[in-house]
Amino acid sequence: GQNIDQPTEMTATEGAIVQINCTYQTSGFNGLFWYQQHAGEAPTFLSYNVLDGLEEKGRFSSFLSRSKGYSYLLLKELQMKDSASYLCAVRPEDSNYQLIWGAGTKLIIKP
Amino acid sequence: DAGVTQSPTHLIKTRGQQVTLRCSPKSGHDTVSWYQQALGQGPQFIFQYYEEEERQRGNFPDRFSGHQFPNYSSELNVNALLLGDSALYLCASSFRGDGYTFGSGTRLTVV
Repeated sequence: GQNIDQPTEMTATEGAIVQINCTYQTSGFNGLFWYQQHAGEAPTFLSYNVLDGLEEKGRFSSFLSRSKGYSYLLLKELQMKDSASYLCAVRPEDSNYQLIWGAGTKLIIKP
Repeated sequence: DAGVTQSPTHLIKTRGQQVTLRCSPKSGHDTVSWYQQALGQGPQFIFQYYEEEERQRGNFPDRFSGHQFPNYSSELNVNALLLGDSALYLCASSFRGDGYTFGSGTRLTVV
């Protein structure tokens, strides 16, 4: 079966760093996406990993280990506006057309 | 450059009724995917349309049907509505199935 696991909720302090983990078990692998979603809004694209390693994009970085079925999203210099849900999604190899999504991690930023 | 446009933004329907949701893809995109997102959950893939054909379908009953028009816009139809169909319905467009851009969604409430 297809399964993606993320922590349900995390809390961090403004200005700090937080790491959100995602583990996956899917029928093949053809890329992993991270999206940010504010309450009641559409998901917005943050990053895409298809090869092992770290992808850095400003304050956000994403890491992938295909052998471990593991990814993380690293957010630096946290701002209050970063309070949102962070969704991990995998494109399975046997289905290039759909994404399999985790339930999302709700990140709460405190002053 | 308009992004993905969905209508209506909110909708309240009665059990047993039928509903049609609409999506206009981002300019240059030719593929439309539909997702259902229940509160506190990740999106679930309903189906994807490309070249006016349903290219792939997720695990949803036949009550869920769709259509894509020559201008790439799409409709999602749900018949015989159930209370459990209450959710945020997201449309995502892409070019040839790569790089998803989401609309703001339609919040459907079934009473």
